[in-house]
Amino acid sequence: EPEVTQTPSHQVTQMGQEVILRCVPISNHLYFYWYRQILGQKVEFLVSFYNNEISEKSEIFDDQFSVERPDGSNFTLKIRSTKLEDSAMYFCASRVPPYGDQETQYFGPGTRLLVL
Amino acid sequence: AQSVAQPEDQVNVAEGNPLTVKCTYSVSGNPYLFWYVQYPNRGLQFLLKYITGDNLVKGSYGFEAEFNKSQTSFHLKKPSALVSDSALYFCAVRDGGYQKVTFGTGTKLQVIP
Repeated sequence: EPEVTQTPSHQVTQMGQEVILRCVPISNHLYFYWYRQILGQKVEFLVSFYNNEISEKSEIFDDQFSVERPDGSNFTLKIRSTKLEDSAMYFCASRVPPYGDQETQYFGPGTRLLVL
Repeated sequence: AQSVAQPEDQVNVAEGNPLTVKCTYSVSGNPYLFWYVQYPNRGLQFLLKYITGDNLVKGSYGFEAEFNKSQTSFHLKKPSALVSDSALYFCAVRDGGYQKVTFGTGTKLQVIP
């Protein structure tokens, strides 16, 4: 069964450094998402991406964040200058195949980011 | 604006007993409702959804949920709990006209042998 994959599974970085989190959505899906989950808290929406542009973003998704689909398979989240409070689990999700279930977002296993 | 409330941080149930995990929602447009389960150090696994149609929806692993429009609820249920059902359960809502999915705070289900 197709699934969303994410790399790396864990990332440790120093405050102020740039990180890039990578995701490979399900291959024929059209919408892509990033969410984050700070330890012990709920899952929060960051951004949605469709047709090579951001379709929605939350107030969390400020200028230090950016997303990109550099090729036909990868979807990346870049954090330019990490802060301690960026430490969280980051989930990628995708949805909308050409046919079938178009409403369910399927999530990857997550990347645990730790900023020191 | 949209929101989800899961009033119980934790639900304990004996193995073999029925379980219910509660969820209420608020959304301006048409509610698209979802339940996801999260096992320790794992991602979110989709259980079931309500988009339209029958109010009782059936999902994976014997779980079901009932959409109640008047009470704005979408409680998750299972007739007979298994120890392996112990996990963190998230209710989520999306306004049909938008992309953002809003999650509840999660309910930890503990099934006691």
